[in-house]
Amino acid sequence: AQKITQTQPGMFVQEKEAVTLDCTYDTSDPSYGLFWYKQPSSGEMIFLIYQGSYDQQNATEGRYSLNFQKARKSANLVISASQLGDSAMYFCAMREGGGSNYKLTFGKGTLLTVNP
Amino acid sequence: DSGVTQTPKHLITATGQRVTLRCSPRSGDLSVYWYQQSLDQGLQFLIQYYNGEERAKGNILERFSAQQFPDLHSELNLSSLELGDSALYFCASSAVQTGGLNSPLHFGNGTRLTVT
Repeated sequence: AQKITQTQPGMFVQEKEAVTLDCTYDTSDPSYGLFWYKQPSSGEMIFLIYQGSYDQQNATEGRYSLNFQKARKSANLVISASQLGDSAMYFCAMREGGGSNYKLTFGKGTLLTVNP
Repeated sequence: DSGVTQTPKHLITATGQRVTLRCSPRSGDLSVYWYQQSLDQGLQFLIQYYNGEERAKGNILERFSAQQFPDLHSELNLSSLELGDSALYFCASSAVQTGGLNSPLHFGNGTRLTVT
């Protein structure tokens, strides 16, 4: 079973509008962390935002916020006031707390295109 | 700039050959992770090292091996290369190995491997 599911292969948004990128996850571990990364066409992976499973509040970082719904196992990324430079692939990832493996497991990604 | 350095940026080689990809983690980071990104498989975790020791293995082929040296730089060796090994190979580092659920991976810019 997929640990991280991103159901939107591609999304379009008008400049200055908000957009939500979906992410659902699957884990039986009560302790986990969720991450979002941005990959522009130049290829680098840029860390955007983090949400812990025990965090009471939704994470925010500038124009990025995370809509964390624990019961639904979803961690959607909200980008407010989209800019042309936000056009990129966005990946949701999870780290599970059990064991000694601290890798991140990534979803397939969503390609966001911001239109002028 | 993530602080993680990967060399070379591009590598073109023939089937059956062997290549070495190099990674220098961020200053102070003890953990190094290798990922493979291809169009069909997405971002796949290969292997993790912590302070010179292998800590976790993912979908790494037997033809592939890695090590982390005393100065913490890491090398990924790919041998008997096949066309399907063409991909973007990322190295990432993080500050903590245990108890660091919230510690993001900081990625290098990747090595684009093309096998012809």
